[in-house]
Amino acid sequence: DAGVTQSPTHLIKTRGQQVTLRCSPISGHKSVSWYQQVLGQGPQFIFQYYEKEERGRGNFPDRFSARQFPNYSSELNVNALLLGDSALYLCASSLFLGTMGSGNTIYFGEGSWLTVV
Amino acid sequence: GENVEQHPSTLSVQEGDSAVIKCTYSDSASNYFPWYKQELGKRPQLIIDIRSNVGEKKDQRIAVTLNKTAKHFSLHITETQPEDSAVYFCAASGSVLRNQFYFGTGTSLTVIP
Repeated sequence: DAGVTQSPTHLIKTRGQQVTLRCSPISGHKSVSWYQQVLGQGPQFIFQYYEKEERGRGNFPDRFSARQFPNYSSELNVNALLLGDSALYLCASSLFLGTMGSGNTIYFGEGSWLTVV
Repeated sequence: GENVEQHPSTLSVQEGDSAVIKCTYSDSASNYFPWYKQELGKRPQLIIDIRSNVGEKKDQRIAVTLNKTAKHFSLHITETQPEDSAVYFCAASGSVLRNQFYFGTGTSLTVIP
């Protein structure tokens, strides 16, 4: 089975530009989360979507937005890029919400490396 | 919100020795604690996890212990091997309504052959 797939794997943008990152969850998984990992730090929660609805939002500015599609894939958009947005953006999928059994275990994709210059 | 602290930030051990990484959390509602291993330039990979209704879990050379009263959990790696060298992250999650994970700052483990 395919794992979580993300695209693009690497990209370079200029300050002020906009970027869209894409994610396809593991087949059968309905929940997608986005995390930002700055070099040398742990992942930080940005968004969670479940059944196409936003279910959680981390402490990130409104320049960050996301959505989930009927096939459970997701996009993360970042507008007006700043140098500080340079990071590895990780998508994670899980079976469903909550703590029933292993449903809330999250599995990460390989990530999208964003460099803002 | 939840705050997860992780220690030490770096750890060097001789091959064959044991390694222990410790994490504390602040939110008593947290009830799921996974550990991830991240090799350079790669994604974090789940290596073991524990739920709040269990005090200890073991998988071959890796074990995790949880003390709910003290709000801390630890990763134990025995008989370390050079391929165990990586950055390890602990995390905590608790809400039954959403799947927001709070990660520690990571421990860079080096196993010296």
